[in-house]
Amino acid sequence: GQQVMQIPQYQHVQEGEDFTTYCNSSTTLSNIQWYKQRPGGHPVFLIQLVKSGEVKKQKRLTFQFGEAKKNSSLHITATQTTDVGTYFCAGILIQGAQKLVFGQGTRLTINP
Amino acid sequence: GAVVSQHPSRVICKSGTSVKIECRSLDFQATTMFWYRQFPKQSLMLMATSNEGSKATYEQGVEKDKFLINHASLTLSTLTVTSAHPEDSSFYICSASRSGIDSPLHFGNGTRLTVT
Repeated sequence: GQQVMQIPQYQHVQEGEDFTTYCNSSTTLSNIQWYKQRPGGHPVFLIQLVKSGEVKKQKRLTFQFGEAKKNSSLHITATQTTDVGTYFCAGILIQGAQKLVFGQGTRLTINP
Repeated sequence: GAVVSQHPSRVICKSGTSVKIECRSLDFQATTMFWYRQFPKQSLMLMATSNEGSKATYEQGVEKDKFLINHASLTLSTLTVTSAHPEDSSFYICSASRSGIDSPLHFGNGTRLTVT
């Protein structure tokens, strides 16, 4: 079954509102990566988190990695229309085959 | 930054024909490349890991005789969809990383395959 779960599947917000997507794994992750895919485009790497409890910021985006390294979140403050797209988390499971497993993605749409 | 080039971006073919998709890492050598399939509004499904100079590693449920992968050099991997059928219509994306799976993946622009 799906090993990396991501919620919500869809999120529609008014421009200026905040947005958060959550990523949960059934097993411990060695790291977690976040990607953004614009409509019609390909995934683009945003950030990688490695340490337990790590928090990283990129302008209005805040990324967190849980203490148990099983969950992560991406929070966007004051969304802009340029934030539209699908955000994917992807993690490498400590147990099992060494491969990057993608979450289902959260599609963000914004009402200007 | 790193660039991965994928060609063609779109292809329409008739049922029963084969289609080859190329994936090139333009400014770094990639011993490993990854091939994904993405259905509309869905996530990326890893099909196979392409290893330079050796056989590809296929994910469970992916037919290796249907999706032929060749990684002949450190900068080129190809995916051939053999005897394509309408159900093979999808978005295929390749990716590569500079130094293994725990480093960022750089994706190609993807190939939209339509089989009529």
